[in-house]
Amino acid sequence: SAVISQKPSRDICQRGTSLTIQCQVDSQVTMMFWYRQQPGQSLTLIATANQGSEATYESGFVIDKFPISRPNLTFSTLTVSNMSPEDSSIYLCSGNRGETQYFGPGTRLLVL
Amino acid sequence: QKEVEQDPGPLSVPEGAIVSLNCTYSNSAFQYFMWYRQYSRKGPELLMYTYSSGNKEDGRFTAQVDKSSKYISLFIRDSQPSDSATYLCAMSASYGQNFVFGPGTRLSVLP
Repeated sequence: SAVISQKPSRDICQRGTSLTIQCQVDSQVTMMFWYRQQPGQSLTLIATANQGSEATYESGFVIDKFPISRPNLTFSTLTVSNMSPEDSSIYLCSGNRGETQYFGPGTRLLVL
Repeated sequence: QKEVEQDPGPLSVPEGAIVSLNCTYSNSAFQYFMWYRQYSRKGPELLMYTYSSGNKEDGRFTAQVDKSSKYISLFIRDSQPSDSATYLCAMSASYGQNFVFGPGTRLSVLP
C-alpha cells in the first residue's frame, strides 16, 4: 500500500485565519488529490494537485479559498484561507498508486 | 440521479452474521471498483479492489461486481465487532483517474 502522511492531524483555528496542511506521499504515487469530508458525510473532491502547475479544482471550490501547491512528485500542501465555521471538516490527502487510490489519515479542522 | 448510490444505513448485525453491503452506479464506463473501510476519526483504508466484473475474495471479505446490472457488493463473513465502521464504495472509468465515491454505509456489529 502507498504511504501517505499528513500534518497537522488536527487543529482548532479562529475565524478569518488560514491553515496550511501538508501531505507527503511515497515515490510510487502518481496523482495526488485533496478531499473534504464534512461530519457524517462522504468524500468531496476539492482538487487534483498538479506537479509544478496550478491545481485542477472541482465545481464549487476556488483557488483563492483553497490554494494548493505541489512543488514536487511527493509533496503537496492545501491551504484553507479566511476560515469560517463552515470550513470545519476533515481534510484528506489522497494519491493514486497504479490502479488504486490511497488516503492519508486526515486533518481534523475545527473553526471557531 | 447520483452517479454512485449506497444505502447510508446504519446497518446493525449480530456478531458472526454475514453482511452484505451494496452500491449501484449509473456510469457504464466504470471498470475499476474499490471498497474502503473508514473507522471513526480516521482516513479511509483500502479494503478490496476489483477490475471489471467477477468476484474477488480476501479472507472474510468478498467483493462482487455485476457490470450488466451496474451493481457491486461487499460481503463480510463471520462479522466481528472490529468490523464496525463506515464502508465506502468507489469506482473509476480510467486507469489512474480519481475515483467517484458513494456516500458510505455505517455498519455496527454487535457482540
